[in-house]
Amino acid sequence: DAGVIQSPRHEVTEMGQEVTLRCKPISGHDYLFWYRQTMMRGLELLIYFNNNVPIDDSGMPEDRFSAKMPNASFSTLKIQPSEPRDSAVYFCASTLDRAYSPLHFGNGTRLTVT
Amino acid sequence: AQSVSQHNHHVILSEAASLELGCNYSYGGTVNLFWYVQYPGQHLQLLLKYFSGDPLVKGIKGFEAEFIKSKFSFNLRKPSVQWSDTAEYFCAVKTSGTYKYIFGTGTRLKVLA
Repeated sequence: DAGVIQSPRHEVTEMGQEVTLRCKPISGHDYLFWYRQTMMRGLELLIYFNNNVPIDDSGMPEDRFSAKMPNASFSTLKIQPSEPRDSAVYFCASTLDRAYSPLHFGNGTRLTVT
Repeated sequence: AQSVSQHNHHVILSEAASLELGCNYSYGGTVNLFWYVQYPGQHLQLLLKYFSGDPLVKGIKGFEAEFIKSKFSFNLRKPSVQWSDTAEYFCAVKTSGTYKYIFGTGTRLKVLA
């Protein structure tokens, strides 16, 4: 079990640029989540998918953010255009469609927008 | 909307001291409750979880938590902390029947050797 894999680990970009974060969930997991972690707001749920379909995107901050899951083994979170206030650690997590299955987190992507 | 409150943002303890971190949630229905730990530079890992049954839940590394339904609380405890417990601790709630996990803002614990 390789765990949830995120790339890149670190991303530094200039304001206005497009940023794409990537996630590979654990094989067989039915749910995939994107979270954003900041000092001020803690861990915020941005969006989650079930069987590649977005279920709840109410946490996506604004239209600059978009997420896709084209297949069961890959998801992207895109920010276009990026702004300094988007600087945060972005975590991807996955879980099984079973009542007692916990979330499994990736190592996160630390995004810095200058 | 569901929310999770962790009132202690920073806690500093000496080794061997007892630990209790507070967690309260707002939701009137059936919930599943979790504590996750994030060691410096690492991802979140599950410490313990409550779904039903005995409200006193034991987790890894000597941690336990007690679910008190009447108080909407799920406080984390450890009788004697170690330097290696230095980390950030997150309480999370999942409404039964959904997969929407809501996390608290976290508590940073520093244990002095």
